[in-house]
Amino acid sequence: GDSVTQMEGPVTLSEEACLTINCTYTATGYPSLFWYVQYPGEGLQLLLKATKADDKGSNKGFEATYRKETTSFHLEKGSVQVSDSAVYFCALKGSGTASKLTFGTGTRLQVTL
Amino acid sequence: GAVVSQHPSWVICKSGTSVKIECRSLDFQATTMFWYRQFPKQSLMLMATSNEGSKATYEQGVEKDKFLINHASLTLSTLTVTSAHPEDSSFYICSATPLREGLRDNEQFFGPGTRLTVL
Repeated sequence: GDSVTQMEGPVTLSEEACLTINCTYTATGYPSLFWYVQYPGEGLQLLLKATKADDKGSNKGFEATYRKETTSFHLEKGSVQVSDSAVYFCALKGSGTASKLTFGTGTRLQVTL
Repeated sequence: GAVVSQHPSWVICKSGTSVKIECRSLDFQATTMFWYRQFPKQSLMLMATSNEGSKATYEQGVEKDKFLINHASLTLSTLTVTSAHPEDSSFYICSATPLREGLRDNEQFFGPGTRLTVL
């Protein structure tokens, strides 16, 4: 079945440091890939997505590129801020319209001054 | 837009009692709502998918008589944990998918979650 593996946290960075959170997946066909963010006390919010190979999703300075050859969708940001502190979830959705989301375990990011 | 609320945000109950959790789409009509369970430091696990006016589809290993789901309208789904026990303590999250017209297809909008503690 479908699965998502992402790096364990927590990840602690100083403000303005570079961020990479690794995500790899296993799926049949051509899934869509997502990054969700969960701020403290809030629900998951879609951060960015990519629906086909080589697509790059981007939002709020975050980027991730759909790499089919390495089955990866790593999340990157060049300069993190304290306000980026949250839990980040990588997820995939199978190619059928009724397919469910499959999530990774989440990575907690803590950014300090 | 596309806000999903859950009520209550947290609940503590005694073992053997039943607990109802509500999930509402506040500014859109939801064809489909999903219920997830999240254990500490683990991923969201899909429990069931519900469509308005029809029976929910449960994932393998989820007891449908234990976790009753009612999707009575296009804006409300409820999850009832019946005869709750301490092992049911968890974080329950719902999400909703809008009707196709007007919003992006199939995107799920998530509620803030409900933390259930069974004593």
